[in-house]
Amino acid sequence: AQTVTQSQPEMSVQEAETVTLSCTYDTSESNYYLFWYKQPPSRQMILVIRQEAYKQQNATENRFSVNFQKAAKSFSLKISDSQLGDTAMYFCAFMRPSNDYKLSFGAGTTVTVRA
Amino acid sequence: EPEVTQTPSHQVTQMGQEVILRCVPISNHLYFYWYRQILGQKVEFLVSFYNNEISEKSEIFDDQFSVERPDGSNFTLKIRSTKLEDSAMYFCASSDSGTGTYEQYFGPGTRLTVT
Repeated sequence: AQTVTQSQPEMSVQEAETVTLSCTYDTSESNYYLFWYKQPPSRQMILVIRQEAYKQQNATENRFSVNFQKAAKSFSLKISDSQLGDTAMYFCAFMRPSNDYKLSFGAGTTVTVRA
Repeated sequence: EPEVTQTPSHQVTQMGQEVILRCVPISNHLYFYWYRQILGQKVEFLVSFYNNEISEKSEIFDDQFSVERPDGSNFTLKIRSTKLEDSAMYFCASSDSGTGTYEQYFGPGTRLTVT
């Protein structure tokens, strides 16, 4: 089974500043997908960004970007120009393409954006 | 934009009772999932469903759990005899692997409280 580790239970950032969330994973697979999901207080799970392991280029979605280091099995999320609406729990997730495509989640990092 | 819907949003039941959680996945999606999140903990995979059968299930998904796609739109999770430890948020998700993105779209969740 794949293990996803998020070592930062909580992070706090000033509005308009940048925060980086860490995620490491353990796998012997060469082809896989990595995701960051956001869970605001409503508890809805919202996809933030996706990275394919076979792509060397780091994914970017507006203010959200990742630093994917395949050899180090690291997948960090950078939130730039933080906004109050970014306050949420962020989960890193791993998926191995197969018949099931199930997601394995990390424990999550709570991000609080301060005004 | 198409979305996954779940009903009810909150279900309270007594220990030992049967509950059915309902989901309507996105209409052209082929893969369906149930995940569970105990309050304050990470999201855990329960079961995946494809081509009208279970493709994978976790160790959590024991004989008390079952899934069904009774018609062309609904996807249900049944817990036959609920226990206190079944209290959690249950998320349904669906994906269309044919697009190659492997993104899973989550419903808003059903909060199950077992008393």
